[in-house]
Amino acid sequence: KAGVTQTPRYLIKTRGQQVTLSCSPISGHRSVSWYQQTPGQGLQFLFEYFSETQRNKGNFPGRFSGRQFSNSRSEMNVSTLELGDSALYLCASSLGLAGGPVTQYFGPGTRLLVL
Amino acid sequence: AQSVSQHNHHVILSEAASLELGCNYSYGGTVNLFWYVQYPGQHLQLLLKYFSGDPLVKGIKGFEAEFIKSKFSFNLRKPSVQWSDTAEYFCAASNFGNEKLTFGTGTRLTIIP
Repeated sequence: KAGVTQTPRYLIKTRGQQVTLSCSPISGHRSVSWYQQTPGQGLQFLFEYFSETQRNKGNFPGRFSGRQFSNSRSEMNVSTLELGDSALYLCASSLGLAGGPVTQYFGPGTRLLVL
Repeated sequence: AQSVSQHNHHVILSEAASLELGCNYSYGGTVNLFWYVQYPGQHLQLLLKYFSGDPLVKGIKGFEAEFIKSKFSFNLRKPSVQWSDTAEYFCAASNFGNEKLTFGTGTRLTIIP
């Protein structure tokens, strides 16, 4: 079974621009979560989508948004980029079964550099 | 607030040494616990997980972890490390049925041949 895939793998943007990152979950997985990884803050939860609805949200500003499509693929968008948004953005997928134990599997990440 | 603490930031060991990495959590409700590993240039991989039952869980590559509820700990162990275990190790927790993972700051493990 193919793992979680993320595109693009690397991205360079300038301050003020916006960016869209894409994630395809493992086949059969319906939940997609996004995390930001930086040397200073570590791994932080951004949000989670299940059945095209945001189910969980972390403590990030409204510039960070996401969506999920009917095939469970997900995108996250960051508008008005700031230097501090430079990070590795990780996507994770899981079966998303309500009320059950959850195991997330991670993709390789998209490394975003904001200049 | 929910939190996960890893007190060892960088551990350096020689091959064949025994390993124990500490992880403490602060979580209300039923907690699920995980150890993930990130090898250089690779993505996060699940080493092992604890949901319920036997507090001693075994994972891949000879790793194991013990859930001690009274100490709010979930330490990772390996009896004999190899050079290929050089990586960053992350402890993580979530509430039962919740997708949101809270990660510790990670422990960088360097194995000297």
